[in-house]
Amino acid sequence: GAVVSQHPSWVICKSGTSVKIECRSLDFQATTMFWYRQFPKQSLMLMATSNEGSKATYEQGVEKDKFLINHASLTLSTLTVTSAHPEDSSFYICSASGFGGRASLMYGEQYFGPGTRLTVT
Amino acid sequence: GENVEQHPSTLSVQEGDSAVIKCTYSDSASNYFPWYKQELGKRPQLIIDIRSNVGEKKDQRIAVTLNKTAKHFSLHITETQPEDSAVYFCAAKAGGGNKLTFGTGTQLKVEL
Repeated sequence: GAVVSQHPSWVICKSGTSVKIECRSLDFQATTMFWYRQFPKQSLMLMATSNEGSKATYEQGVEKDKFLINHASLTLSTLTVTSAHPEDSSFYICSASGFGGRASLMYGEQYFGPGTRLTVT
Repeated sequence: GENVEQHPSTLSVQEGDSAVIKCTYSDSASNYFPWYKQELGKRPQLIIDIRSNVGEKKDQRIAVTLNKTAKHFSLHITETQPEDSAVYFCAAKAGGGNKLTFGTGTQLKVEL
């Protein structure tokens, strides 16, 4: 149980283009989804928190107009990196938190997607 | 906000030995402390967690202890195996909130 999928697993794009990453909870309803960024050999840095049907809450220093987050349903959240630049190259990971479902979550544990490796050339 | 410190940053043990990773947190309102294992290029996997109303929790070779007074918690892995080699992250969630603050990670290497 508690399966989170993420698509695509890797993407290469040209500077100036936009990239959309999808995060889905497969066996539970994700009332909250989180988006993280991880650089090599570093910890997970929270970018934003999104609750279903609400606007995302961004962490300090994260540009909300550059990293667009949509959480339109209890099983899907998307992150769009707009006008990507080489410095946006990173490993982007989503996580989902919720209750019940086939995963029998009890108290809002967070489960992670497999991550998306973004390379901007 | 919450601040989580994790030590050591790297840890090498011989197969069969025990490994201990320690974390401290700053927000006394934190009430949930998960541990994640992350292999290179893969997702963090929840391996064990503990809530603030419990002092210790064990799952086979893995155990976590929590000292609320001192605001620190530890991960204990016994009888380590090569497949335990990975980066381990501790995290803390403040009461009333739903976001996790992560430690800086510990690279565990289990040598044959």
